Amino acid sequence: QQQVKQSPQSLIVQKGGISIINCAYENTAFDYFPWYQQFPGKGPALLIAIRPDVSEKKEGRFTISFNKSAKQFSLHIMDSQPGDSATYFCAASMMGTYKYIFGTGTRLKVLA
Amino acid sequence: NAGVTQTPKFRILKIGQSMTLQCTQDMNHNYMYWYRQDPGMGLKLIYYSVGAGITDKGEVPNGYNVSRSTTEDFPLRLELAAPSQTSVYFCASSLTRGGGNEQYFGPGTRLTVT
Repeated sequence: QQQVKQSPQSLIVQKGGISIINCAYENTAFDYFPWYQQFPGKGPALLIAIRPDVSEKKEGRFTISFNKSAKQFSLHIMDSQPGDSATYFCAASMMGTYKYIFGTGTRLKVLA
Repeated sequence: NAGVTQTPKFRILKIGQSMTLQCTQDMNHNYMYWYRQDPGMGLKLIYYSVGAGITDKGEVPNGYNVSRSTTEDFPLRLELAAPSQTSVYFCASSLTRGGGNEQYFGPGTRLTVT
């Protein structure tokens, strides 16, 4: 119930393509879903986040799609660039709690 | 602001040795966290603190200890290092509790126990 399942484990996309990473959760009490981006040798950094009262959130080339009934959410990176090559983690949390449950990560490589 | 800083960046320990991983934040955040990151496993919470003098266990606390004597510092102590503690360790902080409040991560400490 506390797991967040993330797929795929790795992804290779051509420059200009769309990168899609998926996450699924079980605990319906989760109400905050952030995505973190991590470059090699660096700590994760918040990229974009969504709450379940909206089905989509867009920030520049990054979009989160949220399907509450299916308990799934995904990250879409439009017009993917080589600079987007990084590891992406989804996470889930409950408002007012300390705990984040992280997915296992997706290593994205965008080919020039 | 430097954000969250961690030292050392890399360390090799022999089995049974002890060490302290340092973490400092200059954002006046109340909440601080220690995670470990293993390949293909995401991040697992070791310990967290809600303020100076208050700490609590996360998901994987065995083999570790923490203290929080100031708002800024949250060191992680490894006693009797074991190969299973080979990992990358991240310290993070947030202004208030998670779940809507961004956690800011340090650059990590890569620890190898041989």
